[in-house]
Amino acid sequence: EAGVAQSPRYKIIEKRQSVAFWCNPISGHATLYWYQQILGQGPKLLIQFQNNGVVDDSQLPKDRFSAERLKGVDSTLKIQPAKLEDSAVYLCASSLLTGGNTEAFFGQGTRLTVV
Amino acid sequence: GENVEQHPSTLSVQEGDSAVIKCTYSDSASNYFPWYKQELGKGPQLIIDIRSNVGEKKDQRIAVTLNKTAKHFSLHITETQPEDSAVYFCAASPEAAGNKLTFGGGTRVLVKP
Repeated sequence: EAGVAQSPRYKIIEKRQSVAFWCNPISGHATLYWYQQILGQGPKLLIQFQNNGVVDDSQLPKDRFSAERLKGVDSTLKIQPAKLEDSAVYLCASSLLTGGNTEAFFGQGTRLTVV
Repeated sequence: GENVEQHPSTLSVQEGDSAVIKCTYSDSASNYFPWYKQELGKGPQLIIDIRSNVGEKKDQRIAVTLNKTAKHFSLHITETQPEDSAVYFCAASPEAAGNKLTFGGGTRVLVKP
């Protein structure tokens, strides 16, 4: 079974530029998450999708971050304009929404450096 | 919202010894507690989880205990091996399905041969 795919693996941009990350979840997984992991910290949930609808985006900085999940499969996360403090690894995860099955599978992440 | 504290932040053990990582959580509604292992350059990978209707769970050299009254849970790794070296995260979720995970700050474990 293929895992969660993310691209690019690395991205370096200047502050005030825009950037987009892409995620392809495990086939059949209804729930998709985007997490931000700052160096030395645990992942922090940014947004959670159930199929193509947003379940929770309470911690997404909506003035600069946006995310979409068209057709309930792939997802993109965009930052515009980027700030220095956005430097982090952006992790995408997915889970199969069935009763009692709650494991979230993570991709390798995209490491963003804002200079 | 939920807040998860994890200790220690770093742990160095001799190969063959045991390692223990402790976490506390704040939301009494949390009922799902997974542990993730993250190796350098990779995403977190689930190693064991426990639900609130269970007090202890074991999988080979790994065990997790949960005390819902005290709102804390622990990861125990016995007979540690060099390949156990990684960063370990605990997490808590208030829902059993479509879980919204709140992670602890992580524990960097180094197993010295």
